Amino acid sequence: DGGITQSPKYLFRKEGQNVTLSCEQNLNHDAMYWYRQDPGQGLRLIYYSQIVNDFQKGDIAEGYSVSREKKESFPLTVTSAQKNPTAFYLCASSAAGGGEQFFGPGTRLTVL
Amino acid sequence: KQEVTQIPAALSVPEGENLVLNCSFTDSAIYNLQWFRQDPGKGLTSLLLIQSSQREQTSGRLNASLDKSSGRSTLYIAASQPGDSATYLCAVSTGGTSYGKLTFGQGTILTVHP
Repeated sequence: DGGITQSPKYLFRKEGQNVTLSCEQNLNHDAMYWYRQDPGQGLRLIYYSQIVNDFQKGDIAEGYSVSREKKESFPLTVTSAQKNPTAFYLCASSAAGGGEQFFGPGTRLTVL
Repeated sequence: KQEVTQIPAALSVPEGENLVLNCSFTDSAIYNLQWFRQDPGKGLTSLLLIQSSQREQTSGRLNASLDKSSGRSTLYIAASQPGDSATYLCAVSTGGTSYGKLTFGQGTILTVHP
């Protein structure tokens, strides 16, 4: 089955720790995206990548980092510089930039 | 800066009713518009994609229209069912094929009661 997988489903982080969220797709899509969802604020774009080895900041990139070494994978690292990381994180992909986006099941990150 | 607004914020209807969800956006220079459904604690499911050159798209009981010049889209759900209960999100894409950034509305929480 083609789709997008995210792991883990739940993640707990202690203050000062970096954590990495996994996103994998087997849809052969070129573009991948990371969004953050907070209650009452909707979804906001963190980073996106149109092609392997290239990515751009979205609206709220501070405190986050990404890599795109493989077409199938777009991991997101939440660094200790992100002051309010508790949120629901969603990964998406599309065949090309501007195409229909498909989403993974999400990772809920909680800071202890 | 593109802003997307969805009205109403919440809607509760009896089963079988036809309903309309509204989405408006401030910058009409969009590439496409997508409607999504989100169940509690889950990811987003794409319902319909309307390209900027299109006026409407249909999938089963769902029909989405787009009026780019006025910055509006509507999602029409026919013969609503309890299983339609979810949050419905509208998102617009700008910048053409080289960009793809989606700007989301806050969503409409739909409850269909038996």
